[in-house]
This record gives sequence, structure tokens and C-alpha cells, in this order.
Amino acid sequence: QVQLVQSGAEVKKPGASVKVSCKASGYTFINYYIHWVRQAPGQGLEWMGKINPSGGSTNYAQKFQGRVTVTRDTSTTTVYIDLNSLRSEDTAVYYCARGLDGSHDFWGQGTLVTVSS
Amino acid sequence: DIQMTQSPSSLSASVGDRVTITCRASQGISDYLAWYQQKPGKVPKLLIYAASTLQSGVPSRFSGSGFGTDFTLTIGSLQPEDVATYYCQKYNSAPQTFGQGTKVEIK
Repeated sequence: QVQLVQSGAEVKKPGASVKVSCKASGYTFINYYIHWVRQAPGQGLEWMGKINPSGGSTNYAQKFQGRVTVTRDTSTTTVYIDLNSLRSEDTAVYYCARGLDGSHDFWGQGTLVTVSS
Repeated sequence: DIQMTQSPSSLSASVGDRVTITCRASQGISDYLAWYQQKPGKVPKLLIYAASTLQSGVPSRFSGSGFGTDFTLTIGSLQPEDVATYYCQKYNSAPQTFGQGTKVEIK
């Protein structure tokens, strides 16, 4: 069965960086995009970006350009999101999700990133 | 960027009621529109993609319609387990923006 398993919760100080992983299994890794979506406490969903695991090409939301990097390791079927220059507003649950036709059919369990001094 | 606007932001309805949520795109997006359900404390779940295609395993009381800029999610007969927040998302191009969400409660 399709599974996306994310790394554990993180606590970071303002200005630091965080790297969250998403290990995919149960399907052919290179055939489906992986997207990253975040949700601040009590707020809605916010699309951050995506990667094509086949060639590694990426697209990011303009809001995160320059601060976010999404990469993949095909040998371990794992996708990573790296967010730097963290601020309190980046406190959120970060989800990875598999791309179906662009929609997201399977989601990871979420990773809480807390930014606090 | 294309903006996605949902209405209403919240609603309260009785069990068995027909519930309709709308989503409007600021520019045409063909049928590149998905709907998600998120129950409190849970991961979002894909309900509908391509505006009207029901994801496998989703109850048939959920349906979607629309094309271009105006879209609708309908719950044919509201059930207690449908209490959740519903989001639309456009995915014709990046950024794949979500609507702000519609919270559905039981009256």
C-alpha cells in the first residue's frame, strides 16, 4: 500500500533552518510528483512546492522562493524539504503528498515544526 | 496568481440535509480543481479531482461540478461523520492554491 512517512517534530530558533523528510513506499517512486503543503495552527492549507522525482525538477510558490529547497534521493525513495531563515510565522504542520493528476491522493502524517526563541 | 475563494466560510446543517459549498477561481482553470476533507486533528483527504471525479472509496453522497471559474461540492445527505473543513484547490499550474476552507457542522 502507498505510504508516505515523515520525520519527527522539530523545534527551531528564529533564523535557523529545518529539513523534513518524506519516505515513500508502495508505488513506483519516480512516477509521481511529491508536493509539500503546510498548515499553521488553526489556519488553512498552504501549498509550498513540488518535485518531480524522475528528473528532480522543482516548482515553488513565489512566497517561499529563495528560502525553500526540495530535493529527492531516488536510492532511498525519500523527498526532503529544507526551509531556512525560519521565523515564528513558519510554525506549522508540514505535509508531503503524492501528486495524482496534480491533486494529492496520499498524504504523509505531518511534521510539526515549531519556531520559537 | 490565481485566487481561490470559497463560500460560505462555515455552515451548520441538519443530518440528511443537502449541503453545497462553492469555490470560485479568479481566472479560468478548466477542470483542474480538487476538493479535500479535513477532520479535526487529521490529515486532509482527497474527495474529488478533475472537478467531478470521485476518488476511490469516497461515499457517493459527495459530488462535484463546475468548469472554468465556478465550482461546487455537494454533500447529498449530510451525515455526522461529514463534520470537517472542506478545501478546494486549483492545480492547472503553480502555485496550486487552496481556498480558505469551509467548516461544516451539524445543527
